[in-house]
Amino acid sequence: EAQVTQNPRYLITVTGKKLTVTCSQNMNHEYMSWYRQDPGLGLRQIYYSMNVEVTDKGDVPEGYKVSRKEKRNFPLILESPSPNQTSLYFCATPGQGAREQYFGPGTRLTVT
Amino acid sequence: AQSVAQPEDQVNVAEGNPLTVKCTYSVSGNPYLFWYVQYPNRGLQFLLKYITGDNLVKGSYGFEAEFNKSQTSFHLKKPSALVSDSALYFCAVRPTGNQAGTALIFGKGTTLSVSS
Repeated sequence: EAQVTQNPRYLITVTGKKLTVTCSQNMNHEYMSWYRQDPGLGLRQIYYSMNVEVTDKGDVPEGYKVSRKEKRNFPLILESPSPNQTSLYFCATPGQGAREQYFGPGTRLTVT
Repeated sequence: AQSVAQPEDQVNVAEGNPLTVKCTYSVSGNPYLFWYVQYPNRGLQFLLKYITGDNLVKGSYGFEAEFNKSQTSFHLKKPSALVSDSALYFCAVRPTGNQAGTALIFGKGTTLSVSS
């Protein structure tokens, strides 16, 4: 079964404490991306990756990092989280051209 | 700037009645158009897409969408709503051509509430 998994699903943390949200896909897709969802704003892309070791900024990359060391995994890193990064985060693949995206189940992050 | 508009924050319909969730876009060229649905505490699920061809596309769960190029609209429709259709619906657009690898541009979402 085609699947995008994210962990953790829920996370409450404090300002400044580094955290990583993992994302993994079993479809052998080259393209992966991260979005954040905020009420009234829809989904906005944070970062995307066209392939291993190839990443690029989306619309709202400030405060985030990503890495793509292998095709199946695309972790999102918050080196020093702040309260304005409280949001619902989605990993997705593939998202190129006419192909629809498969989304992970989401990670609800609260930064206090 | 490229954008997608969903003019209604919420749409309320009675079960069995037809429903329409509106979407208009401002994207150059001939973009790919998508609808996604989000149920509570779930990720987004793909419903349908328009690439080219027939202006009426059919998707999952009995939904369909009508593409209108002159009005740059892509309204989601269903002939007979079910209570289980209650969810958050997103319209999304991906530019084509040189920007084919870019992100989906999402609307803000429309909450559909179907009453029994």
